[in-house]
Amino acid sequence: DVKVTQSSRYLVKRTGEKVFLECVQDMDHENMFWYRQDPGLGLRLIYFSYDVKMKEKGDIPEGYSVSREKKERFSLILESASTNQTSMYLCANLDRAKGTGEGYTFGSGTRLTVV
Amino acid sequence: SQKIEQNSEALNIQEGKTATLTCNYTNYSPAYLQWYRQDPGRGPVFLLLIRENEKEKRKERLKVTFDTTLKQSLFHITASQPADSATYLCALMIYNQGGKLIFGQGTELSVKP
Repeated sequence: DVKVTQSSRYLVKRTGEKVFLECVQDMDHENMFWYRQDPGLGLRLIYFSYDVKMKEKGDIPEGYSVSREKKERFSLILESASTNQTSMYLCANLDRAKGTGEGYTFGSGTRLTVV
Repeated sequence: SQKIEQNSEALNIQEGKTATLTCNYTNYSPAYLQWYRQDPGRGPVFLLLIRENEKEKRKERLKVTFDTTLKQSLFHITASQPADSATYLCALMIYNQGGKLIFGQGTELSVKP
């Protein structure tokens, strides 16, 4: 089974800082996703990628960018952190080669607080 | 507009009873519907997937139904246990959208001994 690792469980950053959230999978899967989760709003898709150097905007991409230089690593970048980006950030991976019998594998999440 | 709705109220049941959670959607034509379990402070964990042409899927004590006419899925946990207490999320995967999932807000289930 794939393992998805997010580099930090908890992170505190200052307003205006550039923030990098890292996500690494230990397989060779194409599809990777970044979501944020907020009370009352559920999980919302920020960006996703279906191959190296490929990226697609999700539903709430404003204020974020992503980088996928290697297949195993998908990074989320907050260009200039703001307090409304305080949230739980979840990275996920999908093995399309297995067909449709499997769901996403999520990382443990990074709880980011912007002060 | 497109919406996915789950029971907003927390569900409290007695150990041994069957828990039934509801997921309704509007204005989507999903290829698949999935259910996830999420414990506090953790990422969701995949439980079951059901395809648009399937009516029912079972896995151990879990059962999912999918009615594309009613645009509804029901998720059942039989012989519930306190360890089943968690938040349960439904999610839709739409055709030709790169495998992205659209999630409901989740229903919190509490199973009392």
